[in-house]
Amino acid sequence: DTAVSQTPKYLVTQMGNDKSIKCEQNLGHDTMYWYKQDSKKFLKIMFSYNNKELIINETVPNRFSPKSPDKAHLNLHINSLELGDSAVYFCASSQGGSPSEQFFGPGTRLTVL
Amino acid sequence: GNSVTQMEGPVTLSEEAFLTINCTYTATGYPSLFWYVQYPGEGLQLLLKATKADDKGSNKGFEATYRKETTSFHLEKGSVQVSDSAVYFCALILGNEKLTFGTGTRLTIIP
Repeated sequence: DTAVSQTPKYLVTQMGNDKSIKCEQNLGHDTMYWYKQDSKKFLKIMFSYNNKELIINETVPNRFSPKSPDKAHLNLHINSLELGDSAVYFCASSQGGSPSEQFFGPGTRLTVL
Repeated sequence: GNSVTQMEGPVTLSEEAFLTINCTYTATGYPSLFWYVQYPGEGLQLLLKATKADDKGSNKGFEATYRKETTSFHLEKGSVQVSDSAVYFCALILGNEKLTFGTGTRLTIIP
């Protein structure tokens, strides 16, 4: 009964490639997020979607493009991967009226070689 | 803007020791405050929260009190266990703005 799931769990790829990470939540929440956690564990929000609409878009290179086909899914596409993109990416969700309590996925560890 | 400052780790304690992880915040209003915990290899989980001044959040033996006068939300536990080893994040949110995290504090408990 996974609440927020991400695939894949690990992703190893070469510089310059394009890759996607998928996220699904079965909590019925209407808001989803992508976070990036660097090697020092610093956690930074990248994007937030509410009812499939983009509401937060932090200063992220436009090589990163989120896509929300429906309220339960928020995928992250990354083009032309760079070494500095190596990190753990977390998806999260919350109910719009209570953005505070966010439920996180298990993370996707991306390694760019 | 809003920010959260928490004590730098790593913190290493013996089992049954008393734990304090300091957290202070800067915000333009009265935020809600949170502690999240990240166990090895997992995502973050909400540990406890407080939504107004003098509120005390508690869960799994952990406590934190929202102190407006000192803009603090320190995490405490009276007797830690090996299973408490994790990274702890203090965070705040103001209205419908984004959740702002501190840098995280790695805690290791040795038997």
